[in-house]
Amino acid sequence: QSALTQPASVSGSPGQSIAISCTGTSSDVGTYDYVSWYQQHPGKAPKLMIYEVTNRPSGVSNRFSGSKSGNTASLTISGLQAEDEADYYCSSYTSSSTFFVFGTGTKVTVL
Amino acid sequence: QLQLQESGPGLVKASETLSLTCTVSGGSITSSGYYWGWIRQPPGKGLEWIGSIYHSGGTYYNPSLKSRATIFVDTSKNQFSLKLSSVTAADTAVYYCARLAAITLAGTWIDYWGQGTLVTVSS
Repeated sequence: QSALTQPASVSGSPGQSIAISCTGTSSDVGTYDYVSWYQQHPGKAPKLMIYEVTNRPSGVSNRFSGSKSGNTASLTISGLQAEDEADYYCSSYTSSSTFFVFGTGTKVTVL
Repeated sequence: QLQLQESGPGLVKASETLSLTCTVSGGSITSSGYYWGWIRQPPGKGLEWIGSIYHSGGTYYNPSLKSRATIFVDTSKNQFSLKLSSVTAADTAVYYCARLAAITLAGTWIDYWGQGTLVTVSS
């Protein structure tokens, strides 16, 4: 089971919206609504931002939203802020023997 | 507020066994509906799921580790542990312990993370 595919980097100006894609297969993203997204600032542990494709945990800004179409899930950050600059990882349940797989990670830069 | 804290040696010699323990506070490791797991991140690289355990049994591992990993729970101490045998330089990483929601086998999403601990494998 290979990692889910994410773009290496995405950038945007403050106030803009950006989207990060997460591409898998029919064994994971394409079949199961168990995609989650994590934000990781340098030197810190990841933080859950989205679970079950679209759900936000309590305390996470509504500027973060998730969606899915076919084998690709997406995280959208609207009204981009300087504090959103971080690495973002998706993950999914997979029916392969790996069970739990992360994406390759995306570095978000706020210009 | 649930807290997880990793502990263990920060330096391990190649070919030996890496041992880490995660102490859970602010909640019980026997709570229904959660797996307890380990995730690692080599310096400058991405996240890798190592494995997960349910308090009553049921352990799942990443097959890429080729059976080198063992995870076990000590409910009396509210702790769970990781042992990784025959380590090499490729096992140098920040190791995180975590709680995973048990919607699917091995866990579905991670809602609590430890702060992480760097383990370096020396030759």
